[in-house]
Amino acid sequence: DSGVTQTPKHLITATGQRVTLRCSPRSGDLSVYWYQQSLDQGLQFLIQYYNGEERAKGNILERFSAQQFPDLHSELNLSSLELGDSALYFCASSVGTVLTGELFFGEGSRLTVL
Amino acid sequence: GQQVMQIPQYQHVQEGEDFTTYCNSSTTLSNIQWYKQRPGGHPVFLIQLVKSGEVKKQKRLTFQFGEAKKNSSLHITATQTTDVGTYFCAGPTYTGGGNKLTFGTGTQLKVEL
Repeated sequence: DSGVTQTPKHLITATGQRVTLRCSPRSGDLSVYWYQQSLDQGLQFLIQYYNGEERAKGNILERFSAQQFPDLHSELNLSSLELGDSALYFCASSVGTVLTGELFFGEGSRLTVL
Repeated sequence: GQQVMQIPQYQHVQEGEDFTTYCNSSTTLSNIQWYKQRPGGHPVFLIQLVKSGEVKKQKRLTFQFGEAKKNSSLHITATQTTDVGTYFCAGPTYTGGGNKLTFGTGTQLKVEL
């Protein structure tokens, strides 16, 4: 158990819909990272938050947005869903930054868009 | 942008054989991290290397960081079925205000009895 909690574990929805994925980082971790893992692709970085502020952005689509709340949990919002958005979405947390420490991953949220 | 490539993409071995995966970054890294993802699981941190030429061992696993800090390798001696999974290397990148961890393409290891 990494201490990172993600909900829901599985989600099936239709094209055009909107979903919200939730992540609670490990106790004491200030950084939250979101990654997307598709079947034939590795781990693609989406976005990073540190203590409530957006710090780094990857190839995150404009249809996707995220935020980190004062209690440090984070949400990833995916809208106008397309078939290609079907993937495993991981949240990870770290105490500081990845320059000095490792990431602790949650179990992921598997999104299926039909 | 930074790219991190791993070879091979897939490796099938017989139990007891050795296994090596190689990681190459397009840029110099401040550190290199290795993660293992079991089938159906999430990435789990294995180790971090920081110094040029550093070598670290964890039981049957040996990790190396290249002298130029742009490449790394993971060697598993006498593989076991418990070693099955995908091994990722990852390097941090400063993105102007924050840092991201760029993961390699991964090497999927299958071990047959």
